[in-house]
Amino acid sequence: GAVVSQHPSWVICKSGTSVKIECRSLDFQATTMFWYRQFPKQSLMLMATSNEGSKATYEQGVEKDKFLINHASLTLSTLTVTSAHPEDSSFYICSARKDRYEQYFGPGTRLTVT
Amino acid sequence: AQSVTQLGSHVSVSEGALVLLRCNYSSSVPPYLFWYVQYPNQGLQLLLKYTSAATLVKGINGFEAEFKKSETSFHLTKPSAHMRDAAEYFCAVSEGTNAGKSTFGDGTTLTVKP
Repeated sequence: GAVVSQHPSWVICKSGTSVKIECRSLDFQATTMFWYRQFPKQSLMLMATSNEGSKATYEQGVEKDKFLINHASLTLSTLTVTSAHPEDSSFYICSARKDRYEQYFGPGTRLTVT
Repeated sequence: AQSVTQLGSHVSVSEGALVLLRCNYSSSVPPYLFWYVQYPNQGLQLLLKYTSAATLVKGINGFEAEFKKSETSFHLTKPSAHMRDAAEYFCAVSEGTNAGKSTFGDGTTLTVKP
């Protein structure tokens, strides 16, 4: 199989603090991982493409200084939401690309900023 | 550029009835097409994919989809709905040169009535 985990699954933080979310491919190596954001009852919005050993590629309108992505190994990518504000509250989902055609999704992280 | 349109944000069927979820795509190159299912507060699970092989694709849980180039469609069907099929369904398209970076439709909520 192809299993992707995320940690934490749920986090509450105070406004102004930073939060780190981990995405791990447990049984395969992934040179490419993706980070998505999903608002309630809405579709997934691609935030950035994370490439192992190089800088992430951000989609238009996504602040790279606010959403820091690090892909230091073939099995781990992290998303850090810096100086979080209530409008950053959302469901964040990562995926890892195993082969040319498919990406496998993590279970998501629910972020609530108070 | 690529895009996906899912016709019908909500579909309701009776248990045992045919399920039909509609998806139309736009792509400047031959596309790869996917259907995913999402249960509440979870990530996405791949139901099936089309990657330029057989136009009728069979997936998990009894679902199948047919790629129709002339209609730019990739509708998802299941002959007989089960209560456990109630979930959110997303159609996605990616272009072959950058497979994995997908564009998702807005989703269709499937309700199954007893």
